[in-house]
Amino acid sequence: AQKITQTQPGMFVQEKEAVTLDCTYDTSDPSYGLFWYKQPSSGEMIFLIYQGSYDQQNATEGRYSLNFQKARKSANLVISASQLGDSAMYFCAMRNTNFGNEKLTFGTGTRLTIIP
Amino acid sequence: KAGVTQTPRYLIKTRGQQVTLSCSPISGHRSVSWYQQTPGQGLQFLFEYFSETQRNKGNFPGRFSGRQFSNSRSEMNVSTLELGDSALYLCASSLGTSGSSADTQYFGPGTRLTVL
Repeated sequence: AQKITQTQPGMFVQEKEAVTLDCTYDTSDPSYGLFWYKQPSSGEMIFLIYQGSYDQQNATEGRYSLNFQKARKSANLVISASQLGDSAMYFCAMRNTNFGNEKLTFGTGTRLTIIP
Repeated sequence: KAGVTQTPRYLIKTRGQQVTLSCSPISGHRSVSWYQQTPGQGLQFLFEYFSETQRNKGNFPGRFSGRQFSNSRSEMNVSTLELGDSALYLCASSLGTSGSSADTQYFGPGTRLTVL
C-alpha cells in the first residue's frame, strides 16, 4: 500500500527565510509521481510542483524546489525567500501508475505560518 | 483557461437527506476525481471518472455515488446523509493519461457540506 508521511504538523518561519517541509513516502511500485499542493484557508488545493520517480534532477518551479532523495524515499519541499502569502497548509501526495489504483494519496499536511 | 469549478460552494442539509454536488473540469480534461476532506480523516479519495466510466474507487459506502457526462462534467451524490458526511468535498480534473505518474490533478474550490 502507498503511504505518505508528513511529520511536521505546524511550522513558524520568519518572512524572507527559506523553509523546508518534510515528506517521506512508501511504495513498492517503481513508477510513481510526487506532488506538493498548497491549501490556503479558502480551501482550494493549489498545485505547486511535481517530481517523477525516474527524474534525475530535482524539480524546481520559481521559489519552490523539491529535494528528492529516492534511496531515502523522501521528497521535501523547499520554499526560498518565504512571503506572508505562503502561510497555508501544505500537502505532499503520491500517484502510482497501477491501472485501477491511479489516485492521489495525501499526507496529513503541514501548516506553515510566516511571521512578519 | 478557466479552472475547475464546483457548485454549490456551501450546503447545509439534515440527516437522512440526499445531496448532489457538481464539478466542471478544465477544458480538455477528461478525468474527474472526487475527494473528501475532514479534520479527522484528512484527504480521502472517493472515486475517479474518465470518459463517463468510473475508473477508480476508494473505500466509501455505496451511499456515495457519482457520474460523468459526455462533456466531462461530473456529479457526486450522497444519499441518506449522516452527521459524519460533513466535510469539504474537492473535485480535481486532469488529462487522465493512464499509466502516467505525471498526470497532474488540478483542484476546484470545493463544496463545504454541513449535515445537521
